[in-house]
Amino acid sequence: EAGVAQSPRYKIIEKRQSVAFWCNPISGHATLYWYQQILGQGPKLLIQFQNNGVVDDSQLPKDRFSAERLKGVDSTLKIQPAKLEDSAVYLCASSLDGQGAIYNEQFFGPGTRLTVL
Amino acid sequence: AQRVTQPEKLLSVFKGAPVELKCNYSYSGSPELFWYVQYSRQRLQLLLRHISRESIKGFTADLNKGETSFHLKKPFAQEEDSAMYYCALSSGYSSASKIIFGSGTRLSIRP
Repeated sequence: EAGVAQSPRYKIIEKRQSVAFWCNPISGHATLYWYQQILGQGPKLLIQFQNNGVVDDSQLPKDRFSAERLKGVDSTLKIQPAKLEDSAVYLCASSLDGQGAIYNEQFFGPGTRLTVL
Repeated sequence: AQRVTQPEKLLSVFKGAPVELKCNYSYSGSPELFWYVQYSRQRLQLLLRHISRESIKGFTADLNKGETSFHLKKPFAQEEDSAMYYCALSSGYSSASKIIFGSGTRLSIRP
């Protein structure tokens, strides 16, 4: 089966600019996750969707980050305006039904590497 | 607070030598632990999970609740084991549960 797709793969912007990332999960997967991975650190969950509803966005910097998952399929993550500290790899993952991470393996996309100058 | 600690940024061993990647956790409830792996130019993927009691690619991990550890072990390292390894903890069983990752250990197998 096709994996999680993300675009773009790389993005370079200047601080205060806006940027958007796109994710298409594995077909049939109800739960979608966005992670931020700063160099030298593990992935940190930004937001989790169950179908088109938000389950957890406690670590999303809502003053500048926003995400949506219209129609419960693909999703976009936006940063506006970007700061230097937003430089990171943004990972999208999906899982089958989200009834506990324990039983549902998360499948990750290739990530988008964002550089903010 | 929930936390996963991987004390080693880099671990380098010779091919055929035993491997142990350390992971310690802090969690107030009953945790479920995982190991994820990222090979060069590949995606992050699940290697094994504690609840399945499985051995994958020769790797095993034992949950030690007394020492709050979940170390990953392999008796004989192979060159293809070179990768980035992340220990992770799941915070619960509900649909709102999430995975918390450690900072990772880069395993390098020398020929």
